[in-house]
Amino acid sequence: DIQMTQSPSTLSASVGDSVTITCRASQNISPWLAWYQQKPGKAPKLLIHKVSNLLSGVPSRFSGDESGTEFTLIISSLQPDDFATYYCQQYSSYSPRLTFGGGTKVEIK
Amino acid sequence: QVTLKESGPALVKPTQTLTLTCTFSGFSLSTSGMRVNWIRQSPGKALEWLARIDWDDDKFYSTSLETRLTISKDTSKNQVVLTMTNMDPVDTATYYCARIPQYDYGFDYWGQGIMVTVSS
Repeated sequence: DIQMTQSPSTLSASVGDSVTITCRASQNISPWLAWYQQKPGKAPKLLIHKVSNLLSGVPSRFSGDESGTEFTLIISSLQPDDFATYYCQQYSSYSPRLTFGGGTKVEIK
Repeated sequence: QVTLKESGPALVKPTQTLTLTCTFSGFSLSTSGMRVNWIRQSPGKALEWLARIDWDDDKFYSTSLETRLTISKDTSKNQVVLTMTNMDPVDTATYYCARIPQYDYGFDYWGQGIMVTVSS
């Protein structure tokens, strides 16, 4: 199975900061990578699919990028609504078993 | 609009079988490319994908849990059912169903989740 290693597990930042969350896949999965935001007590919300495609309604301060098997979620100018936990998820066409990263909690500094 | 909702018991005893139903609306699981998945989240832990059923009745399971899981669909009722045998306290979690609308997409719609506690 494809493993997704996400870092950091926790990130402390202030409103206005730019933050980067990284996910490394155990094998090539490009471009089958999605990012989700989850707030306490709620279901996750899909933000980005296929590495860098923002869902309709997702603010443009969110962006996704890749370099080989490493994928990044960048939030430029963090807003109060962005403090949440973020997960990456692979859905490679070569592996029907889907996997999530371990999550990154973005906390207020 | 698209909605999904999980239903089932809130409490099961160890060794019992859990049966969860995902009832959805706003789409059809007979549409080419459509997939419905089950995902769980233990308290304070990360998301864990469990199983998937596709429009063509293909089924896939988590490697670590596949001996305990069965997924099925009733297209006429717009339902997907997940059974998990031999429940253990470590299976205490919120269970979600979620849709993938086509092969190159993530989970775009989720149910609200159902909290299942395993305890005697």
